Amino acid sequence: DSGVTQTPKHLITATGQRVTLRCSPRSGDLSVYWYQQSLDQGLQFLIQYYNGEERAKGNILERFSAQQFPDLHSELNLSSLELGDSALYFCASSLEPGRRAFFGQGTRLTVV
Amino acid sequence: SQQGEEDPQALSIQEGENATMNCSYKTSINNLQWYRQNSGRGLVHLILIRSNEREKHSGRLRVTLDTSKKSSSLLITASRAADTASYFCATDPIDSWGKLQFGAGTQVVVTP
Repeated sequence: DSGVTQTPKHLITATGQRVTLRCSPRSGDLSVYWYQQSLDQGLQFLIQYYNGEERAKGNILERFSAQQFPDLHSELNLSSLELGDSALYFCASSLEPGRRAFFGQGTRLTVV
Repeated sequence: SQQGEEDPQALSIQEGENATMNCSYKTSINNLQWYRQNSGRGLVHLILIRSNEREKHSGRLRVTLDTSKKSSSLLITASRAADTASYFCATDPIDSWGKLQFGAGTQVVVTP
């Protein structure tokens, strides 16, 4: 158990819908990362927060947004979903950016 | 785009043999990390090597880093069936603190 909790574990939704993925980081970790893993794109870095502020941005679509709250949990919002958004979404946390990261078990999103 | 590229893409060995995989990257880094992923599960951190280190050991794992060639290698000695997994390198770029980016991974299968 990494200490990082992601909910839900599985999500099936229709195209055009909006979903929210939730992540609770490991106790004491200030940095949260979001990744998308699909078969054809591999593990893609989406965004990173540190102590509530956005610190680094990757290949995150405009339809996607994220935030980190004062209690350090984070949410990833995916809207206007397309079939191609089907993937595993991972959250990871670390004490600070660049340190070893601890990954959650992921949310498997299926868009139908 | 991915920062690291692993080689080979897949590796099949027998128990007791050593497994070596390589990672090449493009930009200057603070550190390089190796992770393991069992099928569809969260990634598990294996080892972190800083840019000023050349070699690091952890149990049956040995990691080398050559910053002049922008490459790293992971050696697993005396492999076991339980080492069957995908292995990823991840780089923490100097110019983008905390943008931990992963390569495409090496799929390792260890047969009894």
